[in-house]
Amino acid sequence: DVKVTQSSRYLVKRTGEKVFLECVQDMDHENMFWYRQDPGLGLRLIYFSYDVKMKEKGDIPEGYSVSREKKERFSLILESASTNQTSMYLCASSILSQTGYTFGSGTRLTVV
Amino acid sequence: SQQGEEDPQALSIQEGENATMNCSYKTSINNLQWYRQNSGRGLVHLILIRSNEREKHSGRLRVTLDTSKKSSSLLITASRAADTASYFCATDEWNQGGKLIFGQGTELSVKP
Repeated sequence: DVKVTQSSRYLVKRTGEKVFLECVQDMDHENMFWYRQDPGLGLRLIYFSYDVKMKEKGDIPEGYSVSREKKERFSLILESASTNQTSMYLCASSILSQTGYTFGSGTRLTVV
Repeated sequence: SQQGEEDPQALSIQEGENATMNCSYKTSINNLQWYRQNSGRGLVHLILIRSNEREKHSGRLRVTLDTSKKSSSLLITASRAADTASYFCATDEWNQGGKLIFGQGTELSVKP
């Protein structure tokens, strides 16, 4: 089975800190995605990547950046964490377009 | 941007009953997918139905797609307490390269 691993389940960071959320998949998937999930707003796409060193903005990229130096790893970076970035962050991967995603377990980030 | 809208937002049934959730969307799609999320966890892919398909089955799940009405439904037959979760539809829009747009989900509660 494909596994998508997010490095932390729970994270507490201070306002203004630079935060790295790591995501690793083990099945050579081309596509990787970062979503955030908030009550009443559902899942919103932050950034995605179809290949190494390639990235595309999603619907809410402001305040975030990403890095994909290796195919299996897709990192989400909060340049200067703010309290409105407190959320559940979900990473996903897929082998092709038009196929299902495999999600990680999520990272619940609290910014204080 | 939110594409899929699920209905109802919450559903409470008894074990053994069938659960039906509906999803409406706005634009042309390549496929529509349903996911399940247990509380505080990542999403799990349940089923994918392509735009040229009308119905699909997987175990106790039955999904229909009506592209003329831009709607889909997920039926869970003979529900169990373990089916308690949130269910999301997600659309893979034309010319969007395989990124999924998720609805806000239906919260299903199955009482023993």
